[in-house]
Amino acid sequence: DIQMTQSPSSLAASVGDRVTINCRASQAINNHVAWFQQKPGKAPWSLIYAASTLRSGVPSKFSGSGSGTDFTLTINSLQPEDFATYFCQQYNSYPFTFGQGTKLEIK
Amino acid sequence: EVQLVESGGVLVQPGGSLRLSCGASGFTFSSHWMSWVRQAPGKGLEWVANINQDGSRKHYVDSVEGRFTISRDNAENSLFLQMNSLRLEDRAMYYCARIDGYGSTFDYWGLGTPVTVSS
Repeated sequence: DIQMTQSPSSLAASVGDRVTINCRASQAINNHVAWFQQKPGKAPWSLIYAASTLRSGVPSKFSGSGSGTDFTLTINSLQPEDFATYFCQQYNSYPFTFGQGTKLEIK
Repeated sequence: EVQLVESGGVLVQPGGSLRLSCGASGFTFSSHWMSWVRQAPGKGLEWVANINQDGSRKHYVDSVEGRFTISRDNAENSLFLQMNSLRLEDRAMYYCARIDGYGSTFDYWGLGTPVTVSS
């Protein structure tokens, strides 16, 4: 199985900041990575697929990059509604696997 | 508007069985792969199973292989997860998710249905 390792596991930032969340795959997965946002008690919201393609309706403040084994989610100009947990996920091969999550908290 | 509504989650004893349902609307259900993803309390997301458009291809995470069965009824726009031989570690919120039209990964998610396994 492909392991997805996210870093950091938690991150404190202020409104207006720019943050970066990293995700490393245990083997090369092309660009078959997605990113999701989840707020407490809510279903995940799909942000990005194919490493860098924004889903419809996702603000351009979110961006993704990377290929091979190393991937990054960047969020610009943090707003209160952005504080949540973020997960990466690989869909290059079965079983699909997720990173353990990065909890983004207000500083 | 794409909508996925799960149902069927209840409290069940270890070794018991349960059938989850997911009703889909707002899109052509028969054109999409569909999935179940679960999340144990306070934990991360775990993909459980996928099924292709006509139900002829199915994939499962190892921990549920042989115990869970994913199926669909395209005439009723419904996705199902038959869960047998339930274990304590199957306790989770179960989400129904649509695979996008490119056949890549999840684009829309339901609100989830909770499954509790306890004696």
